Amino acid sequence: DAGVIQSPRHEVTEMGQEVTLRCKPISGHDYLFWYRQTMMRGLELLIYFNNNVPIDDSGMPEDRFSAKMPNASFSTLKIQPSEPRDSAVYFCASSLSSQAGEQYFGPGTRLTVT
Amino acid sequence: DAKTTQPPSMDCAEGRAANLPCNHSTISGNEYVYWYRQIHSQGPQYIIHGLKNNETNEMASLIITEDRKSSTLILPHATLRDTAVYYCIALQKLVFGQGTRLTINP
Repeated sequence: DAGVIQSPRHEVTEMGQEVTLRCKPISGHDYLFWYRQTMMRGLELLIYFNNNVPIDDSGMPEDRFSAKMPNASFSTLKIQPSEPRDSAVYFCASSLSSQAGEQYFGPGTRLTVT
Repeated sequence: DAKTTQPPSMDCAEGRAANLPCNHSTISGNEYVYWYRQIHSQGPQYIIHGLKNNETNEMASLIITEDRKSSTLILPHATLRDTAVYYCIALQKLVFGQGTRLTINP
């Protein structure tokens, strides 16, 4: 298995632009998680899905952030409009429901908003 | 959800066992203890987890005290590639703290 795939690996954009981050979970995994990591705040859970349904989005910082999972093999995290404080590494992770805590992380997307 | 406490940093000599402690005194009966590590610039990597029995896999061993208020992750023969930030989590939903930065010295 290729593991969790994220794209792009690096994104540089200007303030106010829309940014879309993409994730392909491990085949067969029914949980998908989006995290954000910064030096100041560490690793934060933003939202997670179970069987394509959002379960807990309490970590989403504000309405500028949205996440979708249209099918079991694809999810997006969108920021519109982006701001410099959104600069971070965004990780996607997936797991099986039988062991939801055993998560497998992707390589991350490093987002820089100027 | 239980809060975990870890030392911010540790050193270990290459080839020796690295013992990383974690306190989780408020853990509830159905909360598992999970350990992850993050090597620089990579995503976190699952290592091991347990509920109340000691666990071992190809990467590490996990020792949980009988009262479940603390645990120790053991890397039996640390190598330079084990240098990373190690996170102990005792939650239903994963919330990462600041972890322990383990440095393996040659």
